[in-house]
Amino acid sequence: EIVLTQSPGTLSLSPGERATLSCRASQTVSNNYLAWYQQKPGQAPRLLIFGPSYRATGIPDRFSGSGSGTDFTLTISRLEPEDFAVYYCQQYGNSPYTFGQGTQLEI
Amino acid sequence: QVQLVGSGGGVVQPGGSLRLSCAASGFTYSKYGMHWVRQAPGKGLEWVAFIRYDGSTKDYADSVKGRFTISRDNSKNTLYLQMNSLRADDTAVYYCAKPLPSNDAFDIWGQGTMVTVPS
Repeated sequence: EIVLTQSPGTLSLSPGERATLSCRASQTVSNNYLAWYQQKPGQAPRLLIFGPSYRATGIPDRFSGSGSGTDFTLTISRLEPEDFAVYYCQQYGNSPYTFGQGTQLEI
Repeated sequence: QVQLVGSGGGVVQPGGSLRLSCAASGFTYSKYGMHWVRQAPGKGLEWVAFIRYDGSTKDYADSVKGRFTISRDNSKNTLYLQMNSLRADDTAVYYCAKPLPSNDAFDIWGQGTMVTVPS
């Protein structure tokens, strides 16, 4: 099983700042099949990035993904108030599909 | 629009059973493999199970293998999760999820249905 470790656990920033979230895999993610999701309280997760640098439909271009192999990054270039949420990475290259433990992005 | 609507959650005693359903609409359901993902209260996401578009292949997390069964009815555009021998650590919101056409990132999620197994 591929273990995904996200850092930091909590990130405190202000609107307009840049956010950099990290996801490290315990082994190579097959085909770089790595996705990022945003989750707000009481809501289902929303797909932001997949593959690992393609934005999902309707996702603003301030969100970008990068990385390969075992190290991946989600960058939010200029934080908007609605971006404060929990972010999860997920690998879907090998079963079982695993998620990171999440990064809480707070104001 | 593309939509997944989950149902069937509730409170069940340890050792009991429950069947979740997920009704799909707005896309050609029979062409997609489907997944279940769960989230314990205040915790992260855990992938639970997968079923191929035609039902011929199924896969499970070790934590539910032998107790949960995923199935589908393509004539009813509905996904199921039969949960047996439930334990307190199965308490979670259960989401059904649809993958992208090109790969298995989950682009559509149901609203989630809560399953509670008291300890």
